[in-house]
Amino acid sequence: DIQMTQSPSSLSASVGDRVTITCRASQGMSNFLAWYQQTPGKAPKLLVYGASKLESGVPSRFSGSGSGTVYTLTITSLQPEDFATYYCQQYYTSPLTFGGGTKVEIK
Amino acid sequence: QVQLQESGPGLVRPWETLSLTCVVSSDSISRSYWWSWVRQTPEKGLEWIGEIYQGGNTNYNPSLKSRVTISVGKSNNQFSLKLSSVTAADSGTYFCTRRIYMVLQSRGFDSWGQGTLVTVSS
Repeated sequence: DIQMTQSPSSLSASVGDRVTITCRASQGMSNFLAWYQQTPGKAPKLLVYGASKLESGVPSRFSGSGSGTVYTLTITSLQPEDFATYYCQQYYTSPLTFGGGTKVEIK
Repeated sequence: QVQLQESGPGLVRPWETLSLTCVVSSDSISRSYWWSWVRQTPEKGLEWIGEIYQGGNTNYNPSLKSRVTISVGKSNNQFSLKLSSVTAADSGTYFCTRRIYMVLQSRGFDSWGQGTLVTVSS
């Protein structure tokens, strides 16, 4: 199985801050990497796929980058609605696996 | 826009079988998607359970494979999950979701149901 390790597990930030979340995979996965946002009581929402492609309708302040085994999700100017938990996920090979999540909290 | 809706018992007794159904609206289950189940538990976070393609091919998470069956429902446009011999560790929120069949075109899980909470308890 490909293990996905996210860091940090949580962070505190203010509106307008730049936030970066890192996801490390235990092996390469050819950029078959997605990022999701989840708010309490809701299903995850797809933000980024293919490591760097923004899903339709997702604000441009979100961006993904990386290759090989290290990937990042960046939010350039944090908005109130962005306080949530973020997950990475690889869909390169079965079993599909998720990171442990990064909770973005208000400072 | 596709909609997915999970349904099933919210309480299951230990060692019994958990059964859930996902109804797909505004899209056909016969299209080229993997129709999947993902769960979220306090112990393991988000965990992929398995998936089915066009009522035939299935992929299961090896950690659950011996207990899982995913099938296309008897009624049109729905698919189902059965998880046998459940324990408290299987308690959590279960989501149905989908991803494009062709890996090179896949975007990950692009649509999700709202999730259904299942508690395993006597």
